[in-house]
Amino acid sequence: DAKTTQPPSMDCAEGRAANLPCNHSTISGNEYVYWYRQIHSQGPQYIIHGLKNNETNEMASLIITEDRKSSTLILPHATLRDTAVYYCIVSAVGNTPLVFGKGTRLSVIA
Amino acid sequence: DAGVTQSPTHLIKTRGQQVTLRCSPISGHKSVSWYQQVLGQGPQFIFQYYEKEERGRGNFPDRFSARQFPNYSSELNVNALLLGDSALYLCASSWQLQGAGTEAFFGQGTRLTVV
Repeated sequence: DAKTTQPPSMDCAEGRAANLPCNHSTISGNEYVYWYRQIHSQGPQYIIHGLKNNETNEMASLIITEDRKSSTLILPHATLRDTAVYYCIVSAVGNTPLVFGKGTRLSVIA
Repeated sequence: DAGVTQSPTHLIKTRGQQVTLRCSPISGHKSVSWYQQVLGQGPQFIFQYYEKEERGRGNFPDRFSARQFPNYSSELNVNALLLGDSALYLCASSWQLQGAGTEAFFGQGTRLTVV
């Protein structure tokens, strides 16, 4: 079973920041937080991952709370092409496959 | 560079038949994993292969099998197809075993319909 809890759906106005929350209250010290997204009928796309520190790349920022029990994915300027299902996953170092939950369906509205 | 390629993209099979799905990982990636995604659900882990050895298996029946070749490409086989096997089958490749702090790259999937 997935070790994360996400809201089933969210809306965001185009051009605004999209903040997607994720709860992972049982996360272990060696587990990373990963975010993937899946645009309709395509394979999941890697966005970002982190362990303890906040991370930023060209797609998004990942903010992890100090106790590591929750995180937020931030898309700074959402566009219509960001409409997708976003998955938050925790996964340990070593031979552990990605365990997907149902994710958050983000709808970016013009 | 080419991404992860899967073939075929779509497939229709009859109950009881057998099917083989193929995956070519990104050049240099040694790990291939297979996932099943039924409508409305997130992908579910089936198998992971690394350096041609099975390194993980999800909760799927023995009708599901896979292998990885010396060039790191992979095949997923499903025998005695059931209607419930209808799904999008996804292949993911990565440099190392999944969960090792590295990202996985997914193909576009093979949509299997069992009638």
